[in-house]
Amino acid sequence: EADIYQTPRYLVIGTGKKITLECSQTMGHDKMYWYQQDPGMELHLIHYSYGVNSTEKGDLSSESTVSRIRTEHFPLTLESARPSHTSQYLCASSEFFRAGGVEKLFFGSGTQLSVL
Amino acid sequence: AQTVTQSQPEMSVQEAETVTLSCTYDTSESDYYLFWYKQPPSRQMILVIRQEAYKQQNATENRFSVNFQKAAKSFSLKISDSQLGDAAMYFCAYRRGSQGNLIFGKGTKLSVKP
Repeated sequence: EADIYQTPRYLVIGTGKKITLECSQTMGHDKMYWYQQDPGMELHLIHYSYGVNSTEKGDLSSESTVSRIRTEHFPLTLESARPSHTSQYLCASSEFFRAGGVEKLFFGSGTQLSVL
Repeated sequence: AQTVTQSQPEMSVQEAETVTLSCTYDTSESDYYLFWYKQPPSRQMILVIRQEAYKQQNATENRFSVNFQKAAKSFSLKISDSQLGDAAMYFCAYRRGSQGNLIFGKGTKLSVKP
């Protein structure tokens, strides 16, 4: 049901490279998120956005940056990748149901990043 | 700060049997929501079930139900008639209010034996 897409699915790069992880959703959702997840560990919120031109840092400090120029697009950039950035990155968007007062999250399939 | 704890890194269940995954949380808030998410090997996160803190009745979605003990801050997930397709990582999550950010537990890896 979710129309939220992340590319690439897998990425292996060398140290020092600049990379951008793409996330797009076609549902017109205003709020979007980036989570980082190491194997067997919690999902940590690293960035979120309330809408166009809005970006906020999450609970986990991250050396990545994000931008939100268009509603449907929320890319995450690492200026100089390091081995410590090796992780799974999950993008999500959400829809707020006023009737039930509930926010429903839709997740992308994730990007597995390996920095050598 | 709110925290979510899943004390079972791995669980195993026989097909058609019932299994319960544990989750406890810590909060001083009165308005919050609790969730169970399923993450199969494809890595897509799927919402399994949701519970509003103000509701006393336990949420149920087909074979999935929760045991919500608000005073004990416990939110366990029961899967009945387990199927092979239920094998996945299961994450318990907390959100303050209706629009706060989600806080996830470490997850429980569920295996289903045929």
